[in-house]
Amino acid sequence: DQQVKQNSPSLSVQEGRISILNCDYTNSMFDYFLWYKKYPAEGPTFLISISSIKDKNEDGRFTVFLNKSAKHLSLHIVPSQPGDSAVYFCAASPLTGNQFYFGTGTSLTVIP
Amino acid sequence: DAGITQSPRHKVTETGTPVTLRCHQTENHRYMYWYRQDPGHGLRLIHYSYGVKDTDKGEVSDGYSVSRSKTEDFLLTLESATSSQTSVYFCAISGGSGGNPSGANVLTFGAGSRLTVL
Repeated sequence: DQQVKQNSPSLSVQEGRISILNCDYTNSMFDYFLWYKKYPAEGPTFLISISSIKDKNEDGRFTVFLNKSAKHLSLHIVPSQPGDSAVYFCAASPLTGNQFYFGTGTSLTVIP
Repeated sequence: DAGITQSPRHKVTETGTPVTLRCHQTENHRYMYWYRQDPGHGLRLIHYSYGVKDTDKGEVSDGYSVSRSKTEDFLLTLESATSSQTSVYFCAISGGSGGNPSGANVLTFGAGSRLTVL
């Protein structure tokens, strides 16, 4: 059973606007969350992470929000750029463990 | 690509044949992982290793075996390939908690190996 879920397979956004990608998880033992970006024919690359002691982490245009009570996290990209068009995966891990569980991915298209 | 090399990058094989994918790292990281990526399933963990000769199963380990005889190499073997094992396979490494200068535990992926089983 999928422990990390990304319910939107795809998202289209105009250039310059905000992109919001969502992720839900079921395992209450998850304490550490990551977002990865993947271009076709390449491996996923790390984007940003957050631990459960925080509810927000920001890195340039990328911000991740964590709502632990709702078991929900989101990635905000502001402003969106055409180069952001890619598949985005969220991942979760227990803080004391070294297994990472991934969602099914959301394909983001930023329209120029 | 952060010192991770996967080989072969592409392979076409027939049902029933054995296949071995190799992952080589130059980062001296303790943890190594094999994932497969399939449409509608995202990335699913097959096996992982937490040290030389130390491995454990992931979510979708049936039909796969792994070996790690050296820190730098992690092999994934399909003893008898089936069409359901057609996929893109990714190796990843991690230094574990504290393996990253920021203290964050981050997976770094290789470029992938595309396997087609006919």
